[in-house]
Amino acid sequence: EDKVVQSPLSLVVHEGDTVTLNCSYEVTNFRSLLWYKQEKKAPTFLFMLTSSGIEKKSGRLSSILDKKELFSILNITATQTGDSAVYLCAVESAGGTSYGKLTFGQGTILTVHP
Amino acid sequence: DAGVIQSPRHEVTEMGQEVTLRCKPISGHDYLFWYRQTMMRGLELLIYFNNNVPIDDSGMPEDRFSAKMPNASFSTLKIQPSEPRDSAVYFCASRSMGGAPLHFGNGTRLTVT
Repeated sequence: EDKVVQSPLSLVVHEGDTVTLNCSYEVTNFRSLLWYKQEKKAPTFLFMLTSSGIEKKSGRLSSILDKKELFSILNITATQTGDSAVYLCAVESAGGTSYGKLTFGQGTILTVHP
Repeated sequence: DAGVIQSPRHEVTEMGQEVTLRCKPISGHDYLFWYRQTMMRGLELLIYFNNNVPIDDSGMPEDRFSAKMPNASFSTLKIQPSEPRDSAVYFCASRSMGGAPLHFGNGTRLTVT
Protein backbone atom coordinates (compact mmCIF):
# COMPACT_ATOMS: atom_id res chain seq x y z
CA GLU A 1 0.00 0.00 0.00
CA ASP A 2 1.32 3.44 -0.93
CA LYS A 3 2.21 5.62 2.04
CA VAL A 4 3.06 9.30 2.49
CA VAL A 5 4.26 10.74 5.80
CA GLN A 6 4.67 14.45 6.38
CA SER A 7 6.47 16.22 9.18
CA PRO A 8 6.04 18.19 11.24
CA LEU A 9 2.26 17.91 11.56
CA SER A 10 2.10 21.53 12.64
CA LEU A 11 4.45 24.47 12.78
CA VAL A 12 4.14 27.99 14.20
CA VAL A 13 6.57 30.68 13.07
CA HIS A 14 6.83 34.45 12.83
CA GLU A 15 6.84 36.51 9.68
CA GLY A 16 10.25 36.53 8.04
CA ASP A 17 11.23 33.07 9.26
CA THR A 18 12.26 30.30 6.87
CA VAL A 19 10.49 26.94 7.13
CA THR A 20 11.21 23.48 5.78
CA LEU A 21 8.43 20.94 5.41
CA ASN A 22 9.21 17.27 4.94
CA CYS A 23 7.58 14.49 3.00
CA SER A 24 8.69 10.86 2.92
CA TYR A 25 7.00 8.20 0.86
CA GLU A 26 6.68 4.55 -0.05
CA VAL A 27 5.14 3.76 -3.41
CA THR A 28 5.28 0.64 -5.53
CA ASN A 29 6.11 2.39 -8.78
CA PHE A 30 6.91 6.04 -8.37
CA ARG A 31 5.86 8.46 -11.06
CA SER A 32 5.77 11.91 -9.44
CA LEU A 33 5.47 13.81 -6.18
CA LEU A 34 3.21 16.83 -5.86
CA TRP A 35 2.87 19.62 -3.32
CA TYR A 36 -0.41 21.43 -2.67
CA LYS A 37 -1.45 24.35 -0.48
CA GLN A 38 -4.87 24.24 1.19
CA GLU A 39 -6.37 27.30 2.79
CA LYS A 40 -10.07 27.33 3.52
CA LYS A 41 -11.31 25.40 0.53
CA ALA A 42 -9.79 23.15 -2.11
CA PRO A 43 -6.10 22.31 -2.33
CA THR A 44 -4.26 24.32 -4.95
CA PHE A 45 -1.28 23.00 -6.90
CA LEU A 46 2.24 24.19 -6.09
CA PHE A 47 4.82 21.85 -7.60
CA MET A 48 5.24 18.56 -9.39
CA LEU A 49 8.58 16.76 -9.05
CA THR A 50 9.68 13.78 -11.07
CA SER A 51 13.49 13.90 -11.08
CA SER A 52 15.93 13.82 -8.19
CA GLY A 53 18.03 16.82 -7.38
CA ILE A 54 16.28 19.34 -9.60
CA GLU A 55 14.87 22.23 -7.61
CA LYS A 56 11.53 23.69 -8.54
CA LYS A 57 11.08 27.30 -7.52
CA SER A 58 8.22 29.76 -7.45
CA GLY A 59 8.87 33.03 -5.70
CA ARG A 60 9.68 32.32 -2.06
CA LEU A 61 8.73 28.65 -2.36
CA SER A 62 11.03 25.92 -3.56
CA SER A 63 11.03 22.15 -3.52
CA ILE A 64 13.39 19.29 -4.25
CA LEU A 65 13.08 15.53 -4.54
CA ASP A 66 15.44 12.74 -3.47
CA LYS A 67 14.32 9.50 -5.15
CA LYS A 68 17.08 7.48 -3.55
CA GLU A 69 16.11 8.39 0.00
CA LEU A 70 12.40 8.66 -0.90
CA PHE A 71 11.68 12.12 0.38
CA SER A 72 10.99 15.69 -0.64
CA ILE A 73 11.23 19.04 1.10
CA LEU A 74 9.28 22.22 0.60
CA ASN A 75 11.03 25.42 1.65
CA ILE A 76 9.38 28.75 2.24
CA THR A 77 11.66 31.73 2.82
CA ALA A 78 10.70 35.09 4.34
CA THR A 79 7.32 33.72 5.43
CA GLN A 80 4.25 35.94 5.40
CA THR A 81 0.91 35.61 7.16
CA GLY A 82 -0.60 34.66 3.80
CA ASP A 83 1.50 31.51 3.83
CA SER A 84 -0.59 30.17 6.71
CA ALA A 85 -2.25 27.04 5.34
CA VAL A 86 -2.12 23.27 5.27
CA TYR A 87 0.59 21.99 2.95
CA LEU A 88 -0.11 18.62 1.40
CA CYS A 89 2.27 16.20 -0.24
CA ALA A 90 1.06 13.49 -2.64
CA VAL A 91 2.73 10.72 -4.60
CA GLU A 92 1.58 9.30 -7.90
CA SER A 93 1.92 5.66 -8.77
CA ALA A 94 2.97 4.55 -12.24
CA GLY A 95 2.47 0.85 -11.86
CA GLY A 96 -0.07 -1.71 -13.02
CA THR A 97 -3.56 -1.43 -11.65
CA SER A 98 -2.60 1.63 -9.58
CA TYR A 99 -1.50 3.68 -12.56
CA GLY A 100 -2.27 7.33 -11.94
CA LYS A 101 -3.26 6.83 -8.30
CA LEU A 102 -2.51 9.81 -6.06
CA THR A 103 -2.00 9.23 -2.33
CA PHE A 104 -1.83 12.19 0.05
CA GLY A 105 -0.04 12.65 3.34
CA GLN A 106 -1.68 14.04 6.49
CA GLY A 107 -0.47 17.53 5.75
CA THR A 108 1.53 20.12 7.70
CA ILE A 109 -0.42 22.95 9.30
CA LEU A 110 1.68 26.10 9.02
CA THR A 111 0.76 29.16 11.07
CA VAL A 112 2.66 32.39 10.46
CA HIS A 113 2.23 35.08 13.11
CA PRO A 114 2.80 38.80 12.33
CA ASP B 1 -12.66 26.81 -17.88
CA ALA B 2 -15.04 26.66 -14.91
CA GLY B 3 -12.93 24.12 -13.08
CA VAL B 4 -14.23 21.06 -11.27
CA ILE B 5 -17.79 21.67 -10.13
CA GLN B 6 -19.27 19.92 -7.13
CA SER B 7 -22.77 20.03 -5.72
CA PRO B 8 -24.16 20.57 -3.23
CA ARG B 9 -21.69 22.76 -1.32
CA HIS B 10 -23.21 21.75 2.01
CA GLU B 11 -25.43 18.83 2.93
CA VAL B 12 -27.00 18.21 6.31
CA THR B 13 -28.95 15.01 6.70
CA GLU B 14 -30.16 12.61 9.32
CA MET B 15 -28.67 9.23 9.98
CA GLY B 16 -30.14 6.59 7.73
CA GLN B 17 -30.88 8.91 4.82
CA GLU B 18 -29.43 8.54 1.35
CA VAL B 19 -26.92 11.16 0.26
CA THR B 20 -25.81 11.82 -3.31
CA LEU B 21 -22.83 14.02 -4.11
CA ARG B 22 -22.25 15.22 -7.65
CA CYS B 23 -19.22 16.20 -9.67
CA LYS B 24 -18.54 17.65 -13.10
CA PRO B 25 -14.86 17.31 -14.02
CA ILE B 26 -12.89 19.66 -16.23
CA SER B 27 -13.66 19.00 -19.88
CA GLY B 28 -11.06 16.78 -21.51
CA HIS B 29 -9.75 15.30 -18.27
CA ASP B 30 -9.46 11.52 -18.32
CA TYR B 31 -9.12 10.85 -14.60
CA LEU B 32 -11.61 11.58 -11.86
CA PHE B 33 -10.94 11.09 -8.14
CA TRP B 34 -13.16 11.14 -5.05
CA TYR B 35 -11.45 12.01 -1.75
CA ARG B 36 -12.76 12.41 1.78
CA GLN B 37 -11.09 14.80 4.22
CA THR B 38 -11.35 14.77 8.01
CA MET B 39 -9.14 16.21 10.71
CA MET B 40 -8.30 12.77 11.99
CA ARG B 41 -7.52 10.99 8.73
CA GLY B 42 -6.57 13.77 6.32
CA LEU B 43 -7.30 13.32 2.61
CA GLU B 44 -8.30 9.73 1.90
CA LEU B 45 -8.71 8.42 -1.62
CA LEU B 46 -12.06 6.69 -1.96
CA ILE B 47 -12.15 5.75 -5.64
CA TYR B 48 -10.81 6.91 -8.96
CA PHE B 49 -11.87 6.51 -12.58
CA ASN B 50 -9.97 6.52 -15.85
CA ASN B 51 -12.05 7.13 -18.97
CA ASN B 52 -15.22 6.56 -16.90
CA VAL B 53 -14.04 3.13 -15.69
CA PRO B 54 -13.40 2.59 -11.96
CA ILE B 55 -9.73 1.71 -11.50
CA ASP B 56 -9.30 1.42 -7.75
CA ASP B 57 -12.13 1.46 -5.21
CA SER B 58 -10.14 -0.04 -2.35
CA GLY B 59 -10.61 3.15 -0.35
CA MET B 60 -14.40 2.96 -0.33
CA PRO B 61 -15.17 2.40 3.36
CA GLU B 62 -17.91 -0.19 2.99
CA ASP B 63 -20.88 -1.27 0.95
CA ARG B 64 -22.81 1.81 1.97
CA PHE B 65 -20.65 3.82 -0.42
CA SER B 66 -20.97 3.61 -4.19
CA ALA B 67 -19.70 5.74 -7.06
CA LYS B 68 -20.59 5.95 -10.71
CA MET B 69 -19.35 7.78 -13.75
CA PRO B 70 -21.95 7.32 -16.50
CA ASN B 71 -20.15 9.66 -18.89
CA ALA B 72 -17.05 11.82 -19.15
CA SER B 73 -18.72 14.89 -17.69
CA PHE B 74 -20.50 13.55 -14.61
CA SER B 75 -19.88 11.44 -11.55
CA THR B 76 -21.81 10.69 -8.37
CA LEU B 77 -20.85 9.41 -4.94
CA LYS B 78 -23.73 7.89 -3.02
CA ILE B 79 -23.95 6.96 0.65
CA GLN B 80 -26.88 4.79 1.66
CA PRO B 81 -27.64 4.68 4.53
CA SER B 82 -25.61 7.57 5.91
CA GLU B 83 -24.08 7.51 9.41
CA PRO B 84 -22.67 10.27 11.64
CA ARG B 85 -19.12 8.99 11.05
CA ASP B 86 -19.53 9.82 7.36
CA SER B 87 -19.44 13.52 8.25
CA ALA B 88 -16.52 15.03 6.34
CA VAL B 89 -15.63 17.19 3.36
CA TYR B 90 -15.82 15.22 0.13
CA PHE B 91 -13.64 16.43 -2.73
CA CYS B 92 -13.85 15.54 -6.37
CA ALA B 93 -10.75 16.13 -8.50
CA SER B 94 -9.80 15.58 -12.12
CA ARG B 95 -6.70 15.47 -14.24
CA SER B 96 -5.64 14.77 -17.78
CA MET B 97 -3.30 11.96 -18.71
CA GLY B 98 0.46 12.29 -18.74
CA GLY B 99 1.07 13.05 -15.11
CA ALA B 100 -0.59 16.44 -15.03
CA PRO B 101 -1.55 18.02 -11.70
CA LEU B 102 -4.82 17.22 -10.03
CA HIS B 103 -7.48 19.96 -10.00
CA PHE B 104 -9.88 19.95 -7.07
CA GLY B 105 -13.46 21.06 -6.77
CA ASN B 106 -14.49 23.17 -3.78
CA GLY B 107 -15.82 20.16 -1.95
CA THR B 108 -19.10 19.14 -0.35
CA ARG B 109 -19.29 19.47 3.42
CA LEU B 110 -21.47 16.62 4.66
CA THR B 111 -22.93 16.59 8.14
CA VAL B 112 -24.89 13.53 9.26
CA THR B 113 -26.78 13.99 12.52
